[in-house]
Amino acid sequence: DAKTTQPTSMDCAEGRAANLPCNHSTISGNEYVYWYRQIHSQGPQYIIHGLKNNETNEMASLIITEDRKSSTLILPHATLRDTAVYYCIVRPPLTGTASKLTFGTGTRLQVTL
Amino acid sequence: DAGVIQSPRHEVTEMGQEVTLRCKPISGHNSLFWYRQTMMRGLELLIYFNNNVPIDDSGMPEDRFSAKMPNASFSTLKIQPSEPRDSAVYFCASRSGPGSGYTFGSGTRLTVV
Repeated sequence: DAKTTQPTSMDCAEGRAANLPCNHSTISGNEYVYWYRQIHSQGPQYIIHGLKNNETNEMASLIITEDRKSSTLILPHATLRDTAVYYCIVRPPLTGTASKLTFGTGTRLQVTL
Repeated sequence: DAGVIQSPRHEVTEMGQEVTLRCKPISGHNSLFWYRQTMMRGLELLIYFNNNVPIDDSGMPEDRFSAKMPNASFSTLKIQPSEPRDSAVYFCASRSGPGSGYTFGSGTRLTVV
């Protein structure tokens, strides 16, 4: 799997947009970008994934640069409950055979009042 | 949908004892993953199954660890004999198929004294 680089930590004021960057300069053409988060004492939670087009769901938006070497996860209106460690993972597509997610160290997002 | 169910939530055992962790994946999910999380090493994949068959157990630390999936609705991770360095939070996750994210359980916090 391609290596990813994320800032160790970030702060965001409640109600503002949280923009979490991820560099994946060695990404291959068929590799997807996945984002998960882990709130304290809970299991990781799937947020969103994409290949090359921008994606949006009820939780977040994923912006992938045209060269696919980096991406940004956007939480449009961060709340205190969004305080968590956010993991950016790059991996080949999920085919008929299960393949694994490898977690790095992630970005610790602290949302403050 | 009750999600991925793990038991017990907490386990405290003495060194040398056998420990069995249990996981019930989401009905219909055909892939199951066991992860371990510690402060020092983060989230590590131990083993994963596809259609009840172990696909990759390269993350299993040593022979003291074993995992089984006798049917589509149940899996166990056993440590025998347990050691203090096995203390960690153990997560189970399942996935329904290509393109879907993983759903994690709440984890089992294991303490070996």
